Amino acid sequence: GEDVEQSLFLSVREGDSSVINCTYTDSSSTYLYWYKQEPGAGLQLLTYIFSNMDMKQDQRLTVLLNKKDKHLSLRIADTQTGDSAIYFCAERRRSGGYNKLIFGAGTRLAVHP
Amino acid sequence: DGGITQSPKYLFRKEGQNVTLSCEQNLNHDAMYWYRQDPGQGLRLIYYSQIVNDFQKGDIAEGYSVSREKKESFPLTVTSAQKNPTAFYLCASTVDREYYNEQFFGPGTRLTVL
Repeated sequence: GEDVEQSLFLSVREGDSSVINCTYTDSSSTYLYWYKQEPGAGLQLLTYIFSNMDMKQDQRLTVLLNKKDKHLSLRIADTQTGDSAIYFCAERRRSGGYNKLIFGAGTRLAVHP
Repeated sequence: DGGITQSPKYLFRKEGQNVTLSCEQNLNHDAMYWYRQDPGQGLRLIYYSQIVNDFQKGDIAEGYSVSREKKESFPLTVTSAQKNPTAFYLCASTVDREYYNEQFFGPGTRLTVL
């Protein structure tokens, strides 16, 4: 099917690592993205990974890509209360001559003391 | 500062009324998009436009209409034909190059039908 799937909730303690998982469907997707949405706001691009990469690290963020299983994960090291938000995984597909983003339902990350 | 603005932030509409949501960008982006967000669901594409005077239906276009008369502007009209319009609406834009194609999002408009 078309769905990008994510678990809906994750709760972690401040200072621990958070791992948010995502499975996508189209093996030909060239780019995969992680977006962050704070309450009542638009989406902000956190990071992206090109499909020929296995891993990408950017400060506290690590993205792992397993193309065989179509599995993407986002690890946030030393999670802080400011990381509380909804995290969306998205895959890019080319369709009808334009780039289309297919989003997962979002994982709500709650960080507690 | 470059960015995308959406107005209003909150909008209330009576059943049977049409309402127009504004989206403006000063990023000189070619492509613009409208998404709808409902609780517990991902973003769903309503309409998109790659260039001025051209736009295409997305996955849930029924009950919505758009125009793209200027590069900077992509207003969305929610018509009375939309059966369940209460939602959070997000506008986005991008240069739409082949490579990584970051979509920049506006802050959103929350529409409530009374």
